[in-house]
Amino acid sequence: GESVGLHLPTLSVQEGDNSIINCAYSNSASDYFIWYKQESGKGPQFIIDIRSNMDKRQGQRVTVLLNKTVKHLSLQIAATQPGDSAVYFCAENREGGSEKLVFGKGTKLTVNP
Amino acid sequence: KAGVTQTPRYLIKTRGQQVTLSCSPISGHRSVSWYQQTPGQGLQFLFEYFSETQRNKGNFPGRFSGRQFSNSRSEMNVSTLELGDSALYLCASSLARAGRGDEQFFGPGTRLTVL
Repeated sequence: GESVGLHLPTLSVQEGDNSIINCAYSNSASDYFIWYKQESGKGPQFIIDIRSNMDKRQGQRVTVLLNKTVKHLSLQIAATQPGDSAVYFCAENREGGSEKLVFGKGTKLTVNP
Repeated sequence: KAGVTQTPRYLIKTRGQQVTLSCSPISGHRSVSWYQQTPGQGLQFLFEYFSETQRNKGNFPGRFSGRQFSNSRSEMNVSTLELGDSALYLCASSLARAGRGDEQFFGPGTRLTVL
């Protein structure tokens, strides 16, 4: 069935290190993926998205990698800062099907000073 | 411009009651989606409205319903509340097609506690 899952529920890194958050998806028909960041007490905030015709997309300090062969998505955060501490969700959507987003359960990132 | 606003922010109800939550999207946004967020199930899609029409619906019982007004404001209603309905209810708005490249902007959510 349609589902998006995460390999690790928590991730702890040192300030300044790079962070990698992983996501596995099961629907091979999914063709659009989004990463969201949710800070405590707030709603999710869009970080970056990628379509299935790409395998990499870069933003400011963030990079999303898509491996369609193994149905894997990752978010890389460069020079992680304390303000990056949050729960990160990946979400998927597919053309032609329902337009709802299917979210993973989230990875909690903690940045240690 | 103002972000997505949700009212109330916190709500306590008892089993069997009904509740109505409100969402005001960003000005100009015509699509409003609702999600339920719980620690166990994560973020789950409830429904999406566009131009006052429900365009998509998630796998929730009929006790969960919604509507959208001509000004794009949306409400969701949960009838006959159950303990398991305790959750953070999030509203998100986008210009047109949620999930297809139109970025969704989320509100802060309404924290519903059912006793």
